[in-house]
Amino acid sequence: TQLLEQSPQFLSIQEGENLTVYCNSSSVFSSLQWYRQEPGEGPVLLVTVVTGGEVKKLKRLTFQFGDARKDSSLHITAAQPGDTGLYLCAGESSGGYNKLIFGAGTRLAVHP
Amino acid sequence: SAVISQKPSRDICQRGTSLTIQCQVDSQVTMMFWYRQQPGQSLTLIATANQGSEATYESGFVIDKFPISRPNLTFSTLTVSNMSPEDSSIYLCSVKTGIYGYTFGSGTRLTVV
Repeated sequence: TQLLEQSPQFLSIQEGENLTVYCNSSSVFSSLQWYRQEPGEGPVLLVTVVTGGEVKKLKRLTFQFGDARKDSSLHITAAQPGDTGLYLCAGESSGGYNKLIFGAGTRLAVHP
Repeated sequence: SAVISQKPSRDICQRGTSLTIQCQVDSQVTMMFWYRQQPGQSLTLIATANQGSEATYESGFVIDKFPISRPNLTFSTLTVSNMSPEDSSIYLCSVKTGIYGYTFGSGTRLTVV
């Protein structure tokens, strides 16, 4: 069974601080995806990383995929209150049966 | 990317009854996925629904409790049967869009009393 361990589960920080969320597994995934979910909505895809060692940037968000494609991180620079939400990592398994396996999620609160 | 319409957005149901959730996609898709998100938790895959074949259920989920229909390439339903308070969750449908990435419906918030 493939599992994704996401940490931390809760993060409460002040506006302007930096933070990193981690997603680790003992399994290899064909892709690693990061989602953000607002209350009352479904998760919205932020980014997909596919290649080992890949780094993608989305404004103040930096996403990294580990060389072995087993782990990933999300780094937010100078967090703002608008970044508040639930961040989810999800690994896509392959082998003829595509499905997403989600981490536990990180609930981020950024205070003004 | 695809646009998903999920209904109802929320419902309060009596224990022992059943609720059917609908998921309509604005384009044809091969696979549709149903997830459960328990309060304050992450998403757990219930089953994968392919058109023209029986749904594939994940460990811990059975067809008698969560029957799924997939009559065509743009529509699916999930029924939560014989509900108990433990079934109170958000239920979401999802489709794969492009090579990587998935689109989710806005979810159905179910409360069983």
